[in-house]
Amino acid sequence: SQQGEEDPQALSIQEGENATMNCSYKTSINNLQWYRQNSGRGLVHLILIRSNEREKHSGRLRVTLDTSKKSSSLLITASRAADTASYFCAVRGRGNTPLVFGKGTRLSVIA
Amino acid sequence: GAGVSQTPSNKVTEKGKYVELRCDPISGHTALYWYRQSLGQGPEFLIYFQGTGAADDSGLPNDRFFAVRPEGSVSTLKIQRTERGDSAVYLCASSLNPGDRGNEQFFGPGTRLTVL
Repeated sequence: SQQGEEDPQALSIQEGENATMNCSYKTSINNLQWYRQNSGRGLVHLILIRSNEREKHSGRLRVTLDTSKKSSSLLITASRAADTASYFCAVRGRGNTPLVFGKGTRLSVIA
Repeated sequence: GAGVSQTPSNKVTEKGKYVELRCDPISGHTALYWYRQSLGQGPEFLIYFQGTGAADDSGLPNDRFFAVRPEGSVSTLKIQRTERGDSAVYLCASSLNPGDRGNEQFFGPGTRLTVL
């Protein structure tokens, strides 16, 4: 399986602090994506990083990818209470394969 | 519409009944996906449509599950003889580029199915 596995399962921080979530996977990938989910319903795409990229930024988000370690991290800087949600990594393997999601990290940002 | 919509938002049924879940993708998106998400888990892939055809149905758990997309837009996920283990949130997503399933997918709010 090439399922992404997030770490930690849950994270609680104070507003203004940085939040770091990690994702590990098992096989070669085409790309890795991070999604956010509020209240157990629809997911929102945050960022996509391709296998030949090492780092991407989008606003307060920074994603890194280390294909040698088969891992990725999502950093949210200067967190806000509104960032409270579950965050999932999803990997797309080589070839025409479906996205495979991890179990997610539940982030709580306390005001 | 502005985004992916799913109906109903909640569905409660009894074991053994038949249910249909509907997904309206973003206009112009040719790729459509169904996922199932159980409590505390990430979305689990069920089936992928490219246009009207099911390009990959490898995630359907058994033959009680079936999905159609007859006109290449709206899709219906059909579950026969529902079981309590089918209880989950069923998510639909669509994407613009049918040639690259790895690109950004736009998710609907989901249908929460409860089988009593």
